[in-house]
Amino acid sequence: QQQVKQSPQSLIVQKGGISIINCAYENTAFDYFPWYQQFPGKGPALLIAIRPDVSEKKEGRFTISFNKSAKQFSLHIMDSQPGDSATYFCAASKAAGNKLTFGGGTRVLVKP
Amino acid sequence: NAGVTQTPKFRVLKTGQSMTLLCAQDMNHEYMYWYRQDPGMGLRLIHYSVGEGTTAKGEVPDGYNVSRLKKQNFLLGLESAAPSQTSVYFCASEKGLTYGYTFGSGTRLTVV
Repeated sequence: QQQVKQSPQSLIVQKGGISIINCAYENTAFDYFPWYQQFPGKGPALLIAIRPDVSEKKEGRFTISFNKSAKQFSLHIMDSQPGDSATYFCAASKAAGNKLTFGGGTRVLVKP
Repeated sequence: NAGVTQTPKFRVLKTGQSMTLLCAQDMNHEYMYWYRQDPGMGLRLIHYSVGEGTTAKGEVPDGYNVSRLKKQNFLLGLESAAPSQTSVYFCASEKGLTYGYTFGSGTRLTVV
């Protein structure tokens, strides 16, 4: 049983377009929601994170939107670039427990 | 600053063989984790440690054992490898939840 469900599994977007990845969680005790970016042959790296006391967080071209009532959050990549081609993972955690539960991942390909 | 180092990077085992994966971090982090990554299933937590001498089970611990005798090292053991353990294994360490995980570059294990 996956506690964090991520969609789509893969995504192709043209350069300059918007990439949107969605995640839904079940455990209402989760209160920290990070996104990780993974390039081929590398380990994931923290990209951006949000807590449920805000509905949106933006860092450069990356934005997290959070809907607490729907138990959903999403990552938007604006002006997508070929260098953004990677696998993206959403995750969730209870702050006190530290352990992250990851979604299934989304492979994003940005075509030039 | 090496970060998190995993050895070996690749390994092929025969069913029933044993092996140990080594994770070493030089950042003085308290928390360390072992995840496995399988297509479409994201990263699933195998075991984790909240400090030297402590270990705990994660989501998929069966068939694995761990030890954390020294703060900087976290070892993952497979006593009798099975084809279902074919995966990419990632170790991560963490200073504190909102600092994010630092992942190693992974160990690709194939059990034939």
